[in-house]
Amino acid sequence: KNEVEQSPQNLTAQEGEFITINCSYSVGISALHWLQQHPGGGIVSLFMLSSGKKKHGRLIATINIQEKHSSLHITASHPRDSAVYICAVGTLKLIFGTGTRLQVFP
Amino acid sequence: EAQVTQNPRYLITVTGKKLTVTCSQNMNHEYMSWYRQDPGLGLRQIYYSMNVEVTDKGDVPEGYKVSRKEKRNFPLILESPSPNQTSLYFCASSSPYRGPPYNEQFFGPGTRLTVL
Repeated sequence: KNEVEQSPQNLTAQEGEFITINCSYSVGISALHWLQQHPGGGIVSLFMLSSGKKKHGRLIATINIQEKHSSLHITASHPRDSAVYICAVGTLKLIFGTGTRLQVFP
Repeated sequence: EAQVTQNPRYLITVTGKKLTVTCSQNMNHEYMSWYRQDPGLGLRQIYYSMNVEVTDKGDVPEGYKVSRKEKRNFPLILESPSPNQTSLYFCASSSPYRGPPYNEQFFGPGTRLTVL
């Protein structure tokens, strides 16, 4: 069993839909990261969080330390949100999930 | 402009020919790290460094070396590359113990390496 599991692996949505991507981990952590990898391959950090909730524009990330679970929500999804979303745990030594591929159609 | 640069972006080489992939950041970040990305396996950490002359192993360090002689540079060295090191490599940097946004990782553009 992987130490960091993401679900779903693939996700298809219509523009405007509310999206949720889940990340569960089995190790103790100091921080959790959400990353976005564009179709061209570049990786951008979306959030780093250790508790509670963070919001940036249409993106919301939450973490429940007791349940070892985090969610990434996208409100009012748009085709430009199409990307691979990657969850990672750790501060210096990182362990990654295998990613969720999101496609948003007009 | 704040950035992490990697060179080369693409490299095709042969088994056993030593190579170096350079990584440089201009944000005065303490932390730098190398990752490889493979289909079905996702991203895996190779080595990381929290300061000059301080490096530590990630999950998949075998076959790689790193050095951190200057704060801004963190080269990845493959002394004797093998075909199983064919991969997409990313360098990243951050200041993990400062507040946001400095604690979030900035990634380089990636280096696609093929070892024949």
